[in-house]
Amino acid sequence: NAGVTQTPKFRILKIGQSMTLQCTQDMNHNYMYWYRQDPGMGLKLIYYSVGAGITDKGEVPNGYNVSRSTTEDFPLRLELAAPSQTSVYFCASSSAGLSIATNEKLFFGSGTQLSVL
Amino acid sequence: AQTVTQSQPEMSVQEAETVTLSCTYDTSESDYYLFWYKQPPSRQMILVIRQEAYKQQNATENRFSVNFQKAAKSFSLKISDSQLGDAAMYFCAYRILRFGNEKLTFGTGTRLTIIP
Repeated sequence: NAGVTQTPKFRILKIGQSMTLQCTQDMNHNYMYWYRQDPGMGLKLIYYSVGAGITDKGEVPNGYNVSRSTTEDFPLRLELAAPSQTSVYFCASSSAGLSIATNEKLFFGSGTQLSVL
Repeated sequence: AQTVTQSQPEMSVQEAETVTLSCTYDTSESDYYLFWYKQPPSRQMILVIRQEAYKQQNATENRFSVNFQKAAKSFSLKISDSQLGDAAMYFCAYRILRFGNEKLTFGTGTRLTIIP
């Protein structure tokens, strides 16, 4: 019963460094999402994917890239880390898209705490 | 633009008592869903309850119920018989019911403390 697994749980980056946040799910979900949660704020959608090979921008995509080569994996890449990207990042998945599911359930990972100094 | 407002950053309640968390939202849409998510210290987000805007009847899930006032754009969460395991951040969220829209808009959260 792994669900949605994110790695690493914590990371500190220097300004300008790059890194990839990993997300994998074992529920055969087509839809996957990346959110960021800034202190005292709600979650904001960065990118999402409706299936392997298909990705789309959310509210705050600048500074990030994603890929979806398999159903299971949806990595999020930061190319040039900036202090504004200090946040907690959540990956989530859903069996059907939120817009079409009648009983949508969004399964979240436990998050990655990223600090850019 | 759609916004979700949670005006109570923190709330506390005695164990076994009832507490109500407030949420208001702003939208010009008529078809949408509203949600309450729970985020315990483990950080994982857990769906607590969902309300379809077209339904007049308030949603309930065991000890959790909502008071949905569509005209007032208000969506409060009531937790009855509070338990220690209810301690968490609670987020109100909103989504337009439209094909292809995958965006959930979240409020800033309310931290709920349960007093033994």
